[in-house]
Amino acid sequence: GNSVTQMEGPVTLSEEAFLTINCTYTATGYPSLFWYVQYPGEGLQLLLKATKADDKGSNKGFEATYRKETTSFHLEKGSVQVSDSAVYFCALIRYNNNDMRFGAGTRLTVKP
Amino acid sequence: NAGVMQNPRHLVRRRGQEARLRCSPMKGHSHVYWYRQLPEEGLKFMVYLQKENIIDESGMPKERFSAEFPKEGPSILRIQQVVRGDSAAYFCASSPGTEQFFGPGTRLTVL
Repeated sequence: GNSVTQMEGPVTLSEEAFLTINCTYTATGYPSLFWYVQYPGEGLQLLLKATKADDKGSNKGFEATYRKETTSFHLEKGSVQVSDSAVYFCALIRYNNNDMRFGAGTRLTVKP
Repeated sequence: NAGVMQNPRHLVRRRGQEARLRCSPMKGHSHVYWYRQLPEEGLKFMVYLQKENIIDESGMPKERFSAEFPKEGPSILRIQQVVRGDSAAYFCASSPGTEQFFGPGTRLTVL
């Protein structure tokens, strides 16, 4: 079946450090891939997405590239800020299928 | 276009009472999903509904939990005879058929 595996957290970084959160997936066909962010006490917000192989999603300095050959969608940011502290969820949805699968989430804490 | 609305935002119930959680999807969205998030854990899928139909309830506990999405009005997640283990954040999401848009959640506390 379809599933997503994220690197386990928590991840603690200093401000301006480089961030990578790994995400790999298992799916039949060609899923669309997403990163969601959840700030404390809030719901999930869509951060970025990619709908086909080699697409790069980007938003707010975050990037992720859809790699079909490695079935990965790793989230990266070159210089994190304290305000990026949140839980990040990788997710997939198969084309024309409303079944969205989420990873377990990775908690990021950025210290000043 | 207002986002996904959930109410109440916080709900406190005593053991044995009923909890009703409401979700109004974004305008034009006919797909609704309910998730549960336990403290310090990820999202767990519960149920997927379209108008008047339950499409997938594989994540819903077999007893005490039910969900509906009537032709008119919000989707309702109902938990009967709540227990302490039901304390969690319950998130609703709606979709036009692609990515999901999340509401702010209802935080249920069972005393």
